[in-house]
Amino acid sequence: EVQLVESGGGLVQPGGSLRLSCAASRFTFINYEMNWVRQAPGKGLEWVSYISSSGSTIYYADSVKGRFTISRDNAKNSLYLQMNSLRAEDTAVYYCARDKGLDFDYWGQGTLVTVSS
Amino acid sequence: DIQLTQSPSFLSASVGDRVTITCRASQGISSYLAWYQQKPGKAPKLLIYAASTLQSGVPSRFSGSGSGTEFTLTISSLQPEDFATYYCQQLNSYPRTFGQGTRLEIK
Repeated sequence: EVQLVESGGGLVQPGGSLRLSCAASRFTFINYEMNWVRQAPGKGLEWVSYISSSGSTIYYADSVKGRFTISRDNAKNSLYLQMNSLRAEDTAVYYCARDKGLDFDYWGQGTLVTVSS
Repeated sequence: DIQLTQSPSFLSASVGDRVTITCRASQGISSYLAWYQQKPGKAPKLLIYAASTLQSGVPSRFSGSGSGTEFTLTISSLQPEDFATYYCQQLNSYPRTFGQGTRLEIK
């Protein structure tokens, strides 16, 4: 079955940086668009960013635009999220999710990012 | 940006009950709507896409309907494993947005 495994979360100080990774397996990664979605503690789901299968088209939520950068390495079957200038409100579990166009059909287990001094 | 409003935000029901959750979009999104189920500490799970198409492996007691701005998720006969939080999501445009969630609890 499709597998998505996030890593790279942790505790970081406000203003700091972190790079999340999502390792994809058991499907042809290059054929799929991908997303990052986050969920603050006790809150709902918030879409963060999208990247097309080739990496040529990218979108961001306004809340992270200019601070976060999504990228992918199709040779390594991996998705990334570079997060800079982190704020307390970025504290959340970050999920990578496969995009089927009409839905996000597979999600990773999530990685927790905590921004605190 | 398209806003999605779910109602109710909280629902208390019993095993065997029929429940309906509504999702209203701030502008028309055709049938570009998906529903997800999330249990505590777990990733969301896709239930329905294109407003009414059941994802493979999802029990037939789940159904979705609607188009344009009003959508519903119905569970025909609640089972113990259905008590969770449910989210709608629009895939008509970016930013992709989610509803605020409906928490379904056992009465």
